[in-house]
Amino acid sequence: EVQVVESGGGLVQPGGSLRLSCAASGFTFSSYSMNWVRQAPGKGLEWVSSISRTSAYIYYTDSVKGRFTVSRDNAKNSLYVQMTGLRAEDTAVYYCAKSIADGVEAFDMWGQGTMVTVSS
Amino acid sequence: QSALTQPASVSGSPGQSITISCTGTSSDVGGYNSVSWYQQHPGKAPKLMIYDVNNRPSGVSSRFSGSKSGNTASLTISGLQAEDEADYYCTSYTGSSPLYVFGTGTKVTVL
Repeated sequence: EVQVVESGGGLVQPGGSLRLSCAASGFTFSSYSMNWVRQAPGKGLEWVSSISRTSAYIYYTDSVKGRFTVSRDNAKNSLYVQMTGLRAEDTAVYYCAKSIADGVEAFDMWGQGTMVTVSS
Repeated sequence: QSALTQPASVSGSPGQSITISCTGTSSDVGGYNSVSWYQQHPGKAPKLMIYDVNNRPSGVSSRFSGSKSGNTASLTISGLQAEDEADYYCTSYTGSSPLYVFGTGTKVTVL
């Protein structure tokens, strides 16, 4: 089955750290850029980060630059985001999303999401 | 860069057509033919409905169509059905930071 599955969410105190993972299956993971998109409770979608096929290019939204680090392991078909210095405003469902193809700027496969709650 | 502007809600009766607008700037919607639309049912992951302004992924109903004029993109749902009731988000590639900007979201209600 073609899918991506996120894991690693949970409750963390402000200033804490968390690592999210996204396991891909059913497609050639190394052939596609991957992305993280988040959605705060009751709010809209927000793009967080994108990483190219070979990790040569990694982009972040300004609010997470310097705090989040995205990586991928093509041998393990996995995407990661290491989150540090977490803030209350980082509370959200975090989705892993696959890009359609190089040069096509859209996300055609999404996981079910993993919830991150930042609270004391 | 601000979120793209969408109407908060749009409603229609079964069988009718509705259109959702998505207004940005020349730095996003108006500058690239990289507008996509996502459908999200409550508690579910988003689903891609339209990419590159007017392309439908395999498996998406032909009742969904997209267009763009200047800085405003639109999603039209024809022959509205009960299952179309959901939140809809547009997004545009920007080529800068942030790389993608999402719309504010539109709740579609089938009367």
